[in-house]
Amino acid sequence: NAGVTQTPKFQVLKTGQSMTLQCAQDMNHNSMYWYRQDPGMGLRLIYYSASEGTTDKGEVPNGYNVSRLNKREFSLRLESAAPSQTSVYFCASTGQSTNTEAFFGQGTRLTVV
Amino acid sequence: SQQGEEDPQALSIQEGENATMNCSYKTSINNLQWYRQNSGRGLVHLILIRSNEREKHSGRLRVTLDTSKKSSSLLITASRAADTASYFCATSFSGTSYGKLTFGQGTILTVHP
Repeated sequence: NAGVTQTPKFQVLKTGQSMTLQCAQDMNHNSMYWYRQDPGMGLRLIYYSASEGTTDKGEVPNGYNVSRLNKREFSLRLESAAPSQTSVYFCASTGQSTNTEAFFGQGTRLTVV
Repeated sequence: SQQGEEDPQALSIQEGENATMNCSYKTSINNLQWYRQNSGRGLVHLILIRSNEREKHSGRLRVTLDTSKKSSSLLITASRAADTASYFCATSFSGTSYGKLTFGQGTILTVHP
C-alpha cells in the first residue's frame, strides 16, 4: 500500500521557470492538501481540495495554482518560480471526517536559484 | 498566522528520561493532533485528541488537552535515541467538516544515548 506518493523528490529550478509537483493517493480519500515547510515555520497550507472538483486557497497561495485531476491526484504548479519558493513541499490526504488523521507524502525539496 | 505555538523549540535529554512538549492555540477546535517528522522525511501521525477529551494514551505517549487554556501537552516517557525527531501539533478548526489542519512550528527533540 503506497499511501501518498509525490514526484519528484528533488528539483532545482531557475528563477522564472515553471514546474508541476505531482501527488497521488491510493486510500480513496476525499480531501487533499499541499503544504510548504520552511525552517522554523512549521507547515503552512498552500491550497487544499476538500473533495473532488473543488479547490480552495490556504494560508500562502500566492505564486501557486492547483488542479484536482481526479479523486486520486492533486497537482501543484509554480508558473514562474521565485527564490522565495525554495522550500520543502508536502502533499497530504485525509478521509471524509473531521476527526481524521492526515497521511503525508515524503516531500519534494525544491530549490529556486 | 499559524494556529499552534509550541514550546520548547528544542529539547535535549538523555535516554530513559521523559520529554514534554507543549502546544497552545487560539480558536475553538474539533481536535488536536500530534505528528512526528524524522529528518528529511514526511510527517507521521502519532495521536489525535478530540475537543471533548482531556487525556489520551498510546504506548509511551500521553497527550492532554485543556480547552479552557487552549493548550495541549505531549509526554513521551522513557525516551529512546530513536525518538529523536521533530514533533508538531496540528489543530482542526471548529466548523471544518473535513481534515484541514493548521500546524505549529514544532519542537526538535534530541535524545542522547
